[in-house]
This record gives sequence, structure tokens and C-alpha cells, in this order.
Amino acid sequence: SQQGEEDPQALSIQEGENATMNCSYKTSINNLQWYRQNSGRGLVHLILIRSNEREKHSGRLRVTLDTSKKSSSLLITASRAADTASYFCAPHFNDYKLSFGAGTTVTVRA
Amino acid sequence: EPEVTQTPSHQVTQMGQEVILRCVPISNHLYFYWYRQILGQKVEFLVSFYNNEISEKSEIFDDQFSVERPDGSNFTLKIRSTKLEDSAMYFCASSENRASGANVLTFGAGSRLTVL
Repeated sequence: SQQGEEDPQALSIQEGENATMNCSYKTSINNLQWYRQNSGRGLVHLILIRSNEREKHSGRLRVTLDTSKKSSSLLITASRAADTASYFCAPHFNDYKLSFGAGTTVTVRA
Repeated sequence: EPEVTQTPSHQVTQMGQEVILRCVPISNHLYFYWYRQILGQKVEFLVSFYNNEISEKSEIFDDQFSVERPDGSNFTLKIRSTKLEDSAMYFCASSENRASGANVLTFGAGSRLTVL
């Protein structure tokens, strides 16, 4: 299994602004998933993008995937205080498990 | 919405004691996992379980750890002789199937273990 590497490590934005974070990975994938973790809580699945997809939307979330560059990005538009959390990407091939990196910690200031 | 439930939410134990953390995965899910997160660090995979046996385990999951599905609903993690460094948040997760190539995990809220 492989884990993604999120960048930046931390991000601080004003409420209403957009937040963009990136994920890089090393080997071929079937899909790539993004998860959110609020402080001290379990991870919550946000969105899954398959290897044959280039872009996907879910509410205020927009995910892109570039398999040639082995990278993905997560955009949160019109951020809210409730978006304050850590965000993790999980590239997935055929393993049973998902592996998580250090994540991007997003702080949304009121 | 179906959820993964974990008990206890917080357990304090003395070093050397045995601890059992319990999880009730989502009822139609077939794959079960334990992860742990030491305070301030990343979420680390411990073990995956399918068809009543361990399908994969990490190097963290040594002989002091065991998992069991004692009945049709519970999934437990046992730590035989706890050490100070076992203090962490332990997360249970489950997923439906991998037939489609996707493996979306649903996590529980976690059990915080404090070893004194």
C-alpha cells in the first residue's frame, strides 16, 4: 500500500476564502480518496475520484486528479469555520487497507 | 446514517494490564480495520480483517495485539500487556466491499487509551 503526501502541512485562511491542498503519490492507483479529521475524532470520507476521472465535485469540494503527474488537489470553496480540520488523501490500488500521511491542517479564521 | 460505534470512549489502565477495545462495524460491511493515532501524529494502520481472519497487519501489530470477531456484530482489539507507548486513540473502521475497486472506510469516533 502507499500513502499520499499532502502539501502544505498547514493552511490558515479567512472565512469565505478558498482553500487548496495537494497530494502526491508514487505508484499506479485505482482511485484516490480524501478524508477529513476534526480534532480528536475519526476520519470522515469526503470524496473518491477514480483513476479514469480528472475532476469531481461534491458540494463545496472540488477534487482533481492528474495520473500522469501522480497528483491530486482538493479545493474547498467559500470556507467556513466548520471546515477547520486536517485533510488526508489516500491513494488506493488493490490493497485491503488505506494508508494516511501527515495531512494538511486547515484553520479557518472568523 | 449507519455508523461504526466504539466503546469505551476513554479507558485509563495501568501498564501491564490487558485492554479490550470494542467496535460494532456497519452491519453489511465485510472488511474491518483498526488504526491508531498517537497524540499529534498521523493515523497508522494496525490490522485488517476479512472472512474471520487477518488479511494484513503492520509491523506495529506485534504479538501483544490480537483481534477477534466473537459474534456477528462485534470486532475487538485486545492489547495483552499494555505499555506506556500504547497510549493513543484507537480507531475502528469498516468497509463494504472491494469488488468495485473502491474501498471507502467508515471510521468510528475512537477509543482513547491512556496507559499509566
